[in-house]
Amino acid sequence: AQTVTQSQPEMSVQEAETVTLSCTYDTSESDYYLFWYKQPPSRQMILVIRQEAYKQQNATENRFSVNFQKAAKSFSLKISDSQLGDAAMYFCAYRSAITGNQFYFGTGTSLTVIP
Amino acid sequence: GAVVSQHPSWVICKSGTSVKIECRSLDFQATTMFWYRQFPKQSLMLMATSNEGSKATYEQGVEKDKFLINHASLTLSTLTVTSAHPEDSSFYICSARGLLVYEQYFGPGTRLTVT
Repeated sequence: AQTVTQSQPEMSVQEAETVTLSCTYDTSESDYYLFWYKQPPSRQMILVIRQEAYKQQNATENRFSVNFQKAAKSFSLKISDSQLGDAAMYFCAYRSAITGNQFYFGTGTSLTVIP
Repeated sequence: GAVVSQHPSWVICKSGTSVKIECRSLDFQATTMFWYRQFPKQSLMLMATSNEGSKATYEQGVEKDKFLINHASLTLSTLTVTSAHPEDSSFYICSARGLLVYEQYFGPGTRLTVT
């Protein structure tokens, strides 16, 4: 089974600053999808950004961008101009484009935004 | 975007009783739904995958006789926790797969407390 590792259980950032959350994964597949999900205190999972493995260009969604390093199996999330509403748990996730339906989630990073 | 609802959002039941949690896709048909369990400050643990009209596929270590999953229609899947015990207290999240393979829409979750 694929594994997704988030080595930072907790991170903090000053409001308006930039923070990077790390994620690595292990797979033998060449075609897959990677995701960052946000889970605020309401516990509702929200998709932040998605990256297709076949795309070399890093995905960007407004203040959120990723650094996708396929060879290194690394997928970090950069949050620019951090806002108080960005405070949440962030989960990195992997899904094969070939086999099965399952999403594999990392253990999560709790992000605190300091006003 | 697609909306997935869960009902109830919070349920308290006595030990030994059964409780049913509903997961509905409101504006799309979901052939595949997923049930996750999440303990406080932990990641999502996939319990089972349910496909409309067929038996659910349970992950290793999940008791299928305890966690009964029914996916009788394209918009409704139910999880029944039978003979609940305090250790079953947790946050249960369902998700539904969208038309595209990488799409997964999450419900808001159900908090189960067994006394």
